[in-house]
Amino acid sequence: DQQVKQNSPSLSVQEGRISILNCDYTNSMFDYFLWYKKYPAEGPTFLISISSIKDKNEDGRFTVFLNKSAKHLSLHIVPSQPGDSAVYFCAASAHPGNNRKLIWGLGTSLAVNP
Amino acid sequence: ETGVTQTPRHLVMGMTNKKSLKCEQHLGHNAMYWYKQSAKKPLELMFVYSLEERVENNSVPSRFSPECPNSSHLFLHLHTLQPEDSALYLCASSQDLTRSGGAGTNEKLFFGSGTQLSVL
Repeated sequence: DQQVKQNSPSLSVQEGRISILNCDYTNSMFDYFLWYKKYPAEGPTFLISISSIKDKNEDGRFTVFLNKSAKHLSLHIVPSQPGDSAVYFCAASAHPGNNRKLIWGLGTSLAVNP
Repeated sequence: ETGVTQTPRHLVMGMTNKKSLKCEQHLGHNAMYWYKQSAKKPLELMFVYSLEERVENNSVPSRFSPECPNSSHLFLHLHTLQPEDSALYLCASSQDLTRSGGAGTNEKLFFGSGTQLSVL
């Protein structure tokens, strides 16, 4: 059973608009969450993270929101750009400082149309 | 040079072949990882080496054999694979602070571009 779920396999957004990628988790022990982005023919690259002591973390156009009671986090990209078209992976950990314990979602493929 | 380099980018092999995947990191990290990405499945951690010691082996079949001769190089030796082993194999590196006496924060993973493996 998947502990980290990205229920939307794909998302299409117009350039300049907001992209919202969602991630749900089942393990209440998770306390650190990360988003990675992957372009075709490349490996994933780290995008942004959030600790459970926060409910929001912002880095430029990217903001991650965490709702612990709903076991839900979302990644907002504003404004969306064609270069943001990629697969976005959500990952969670109950063991801060231990990359071996990361649990990954299946990813959401984002297409930003010019 | 890019941070984490994997070769080859693509590999087609028969079930009786022996091949090796190579990974090299130029980031000065002390931990290296092998991940498997199959269609319709999440990233699966296969092996972790920290300070050249294997610290994680997630029930991976013995037909996959990792080797870490130093902190910059990681190999995955393949022998008598099955068609279901066809996947994207990703190498990653990070700074493992728990092994270097640090407080232990989540150091982000740096991935290579992967080797797309097809087993016929």
